[in-house]
Amino acid sequence: GENVEQHPSTLSVQEGDSAVIKCTYSDSASNYFPWYKQELGKGPQLIIDIRSNVGEKKDQRIAVTLNKTAKHFSLHITETQPEDSAVYFCAASSQNSGGSNYKLTFGKGTLLTVNP
Amino acid sequence: DVKVTQSSRYLVKRTGEKVFLECVQDMDHENMFWYRQDPGLGLRLIYFSYDVKMKEKGDIPEGYSVSREKKERFSLILESASTNQTSMYLCASSFAWEQYFGPGTRLTVT
Repeated sequence: GENVEQHPSTLSVQEGDSAVIKCTYSDSASNYFPWYKQELGKGPQLIIDIRSNVGEKKDQRIAVTLNKTAKHFSLHITETQPEDSAVYFCAASSQNSGGSNYKLTFGKGTLLTVNP
Repeated sequence: DVKVTQSSRYLVKRTGEKVFLECVQDMDHENMFWYRQDPGLGLRLIYFSYDVKMKEKGDIPEGYSVSREKKERFSLILESASTNQTSMYLCASSFAWEQYFGPGTRLTVT
């Protein structure tokens, strides 16, 4: 099955700096790569995603890049703010034997702390 | 807005008890998922369901079962709770790839 590795496990930056979180995946058949943000006391929420036919996607201060050849993808947050502090999870689509292909394998998460 | 609700935010149960965790979504999603979240281990899939009465094992199904009698409701059952099942349990639903998560149930088994 799919295996997703995520680094670093913790990241501390100063407000205004950039933050980068990296993930690798094992299954070359994976074609969908989302990033989720989990704030304290809440469930994860999708913040950005990318499909395998695209190399980069941006949404304001957030961007995701994908290198299919190397099987890795990254989340970039620019001009970080204290409210960016959260746990971030990457994920990759997984194949399964059942009727649905909408199964994700998640990385272990990165705790991002933005210091004012 | 999609809403996924879980029956309890906090639950304390004794070893050996049968435990039911309930999840309800209001968006008519076919797919529903149960994960457990542990520090340093991320989100691990326990079971998922892609239709009423249909279910598939995830990565860590041992010690758990599920029930999906209605489209909007997906239940996670711990037949005989053990201390190693102390964890945060997250339910999610989806129509396609984007999963919508509930707030989680923190279960403590003593």
